[in-house]
Amino acid sequence: DAKTTQPTSMDCAEGRAANLPCNHSTISGNEYVYWYRQIHSQGPQYIIHGLKNNETNEMASLIITEDRKSSTLILPHATLRDTAVYYCIVRVAFTGTASKLTFGTGTRLQVTL
Amino acid sequence: DTEVTQTPKHLVMGMTNKKSLKCEQHMGHRAMYWYKQKAKKPPELMFVYSYEKLSINESVPSRFSPECPNSSLLNLHLHALQPEDSALYLCASSQVLGQSYGYTFGSGTRLTVV
Repeated sequence: DAKTTQPTSMDCAEGRAANLPCNHSTISGNEYVYWYRQIHSQGPQYIIHGLKNNETNEMASLIITEDRKSSTLILPHATLRDTAVYYCIVRVAFTGTASKLTFGTGTRLQVTL
Repeated sequence: DTEVTQTPKHLVMGMTNKKSLKCEQHMGHRAMYWYKQKAKKPPELMFVYSYEKLSINESVPSRFSPECPNSSLLNLHLHALQPEDSALYLCASSQVLGQSYGYTFGSGTRLTVV
């Protein structure tokens, strides 16, 4: 799976949009971009994933550049409960054999009042 | 049911003890995983089970012994652990085919070896 690069930490004021970038310049055509987050001492939580189109769900939006070399996770109105470590992971679709989901170091997002 | 349930939530064990961690899911997922997470580090993969068979072992020491007795249950048997094995142990499950919502993680077992 392709390697990802994320900033170590970011701050965001409550109520504002949080934009978390991720670089994945070596992504292959069949690899998806997944975002997970981990709130302190809990298990990682799936947020969103996409292949090449922008995606939106009730939690967040995912913007993938046209060349697919980078993406941005957008939390439209961050709250204190969004304070967590956010992981951007690139991996192929499941193909009949379970495979690895490898976590990088992630971005620690701190939402403040 | 869309959850992965891990028990116990906390475990303290001595270096000569034998204990087991349990993980259960009823989402019909046929892949299950064990991860280990040290403080302030990302989760690290330990084992992968696919259709109840061990498919990946990330060179984990033999004092950790996984078991998948059926498609809903995953155990991790612990024996003769060291203090450095103290960590959060996470279980996850996923589908095996298609591009899905990814992995569903449990809340973990916080293990302390004394």
